[in-house]
Amino acid sequence: DIQMTQSPASLSASLEEIVTITCQPSQDIGNYLSWYQQKPGKSPQLLIHSATSLADGVPSRFSGSRSGTQYSLKINRLQVEDTGIYYCLQGYSAPWTFGGGTKLELK
Amino acid sequence: EVQLVESGGGLVQPGRSLKLSCAASGFTFSNYYMAWVRQAPKKGLEWVATISTSGSRTYYPDSVKGRFTISRDNAKSSLYLQMNSLKSEDTATYYCARIITTVVYYFDYWGQGVMVTVSS
Repeated sequence: DIQMTQSPASLSASLEEIVTITCQPSQDIGNYLSWYQQKPGKSPQLLIHSATSLADGVPSRFSGSRSGTQYSLKINRLQVEDTGIYYCLQGYSAPWTFGGGTKLELK
Repeated sequence: EVQLVESGGGLVQPGRSLKLSCAASGFTFSNYYMAWVRQAPKKGLEWVATISTSGSRTYYPDSVKGRFTISRDNAKSSLYLQMNSLKSEDTATYYCARIITTVVYYFDYWGQGVMVTVSS
């Protein structure tokens, strides 16, 4: 099984700050990486697919990147509504696995 | 507008069975792979099952293989999850999700979730 190591587990940042969350798969997954945001009591929402493609309707302050085998989600100019838990997902091979999540709070 | 609405959750005793349903609307259901993903209380997300467009292919992680069965009725735009031999560790919110499989694989729409509690 492919393990997804996501970091940090929690993060506190200020408004307008730049935030970066990373995911490291245990083996190569190509661009089969997506990012999701989950707010309290709600279902996850797709942010990024194919490692770098912004999902429809997602603000442009969100971006995804890949450097070698490390994947990153970047939030430019953090807003109040960006608080929540963020997850990465590898869709390269079954069992499809999520990262452990990053809880993002406002400082 | 794509909508996925789960139902069928509740409290069930260990060892018993439960069947979840997901009613889909706003898209051509038969054109998409579908999945179930769960989330135990205060925990992360876990993929539970995937089914192909026709229903001929299904996929499960080891944690539920042999106990859970995913199925679909394209005529009714509905997805199902039959859960047998339930354990306390199956307690979770279960989400129905639509899958995009064009080039890469990801979940683009999720339902609101349904809670399943396995307890005596």
